[in-house]
Amino acid sequence: GQSLEQPSEVTAVEGAIVQINCTYQTSGFYGLSWYQQHDGGAPTFLSYNALDGLEETGRFSSFLSRSDSYGYLLLQELQMKDSASYFCAVRHLGSSNTGKLIFGQGTTLQVKP
Amino acid sequence: EAGVTQSPTHLIKTRGQQATLRCSPISGHTSVYWYQQALGLGLQFLLWYDEGEERNRGNFPPRFSGRQFPNYSSELNVNALELEDSALYLCASSLGLYGEQFFGPGTRLTVL
Repeated sequence: GQSLEQPSEVTAVEGAIVQINCTYQTSGFYGLSWYQQHDGGAPTFLSYNALDGLEETGRFSSFLSRSDSYGYLLLQELQMKDSASYFCAVRHLGSSNTGKLIFGQGTTLQVKP
Repeated sequence: EAGVTQSPTHLIKTRGQQATLRCSPISGHTSVYWYQQALGLGLQFLLWYDEGEERNRGNFPPRFSGRQFPNYSSELNVNALELEDSALYLCASSLGLYGEQFFGPGTRLTVL
């Protein structure tokens, strides 16, 4: 089967750095995506890794290690508006999961003043 | 460039009724995906359409169905509604299989 594990909640203070981990177990892995969702709104695409290593997009960075089936999202210089749910999602190819994004259960990030 | 749009924003139905949800993808995107997000839970993959064909579906009963029109917009139909179908239904589109999926604002379906 497929599974993704990420922490349910993370709390940090404004200006700090936070890392949200994601481990996955799936067949037909193609890449790992990260999405942000505020209070039941539309998930917003943040970052994508298909190859091992770090991808940086402004204050957000994402890392992937395919050999360890592990990735993380790094948020720097936290702002109050970063309080939201963050989902990792696996993209699939070449299996019965082709086309699917399989999502983790989400990590609720609370940023405190 | 307009994003993914969905209608209606909210939909209230009673058990046993049918619901129809609509989605218009980003211009130029040929793939449309449907996801269900029950309250407090992650997104569950429902259906994927590309070039008018159903390409894959998630672990949902056959009463969840849909179609994609020649203009690439899509419709999700849920028949014989059950209370547990109450959820946020999200539509996403991508530029083919390898493109990123961009989500619409969702339709909040409430089944009474």
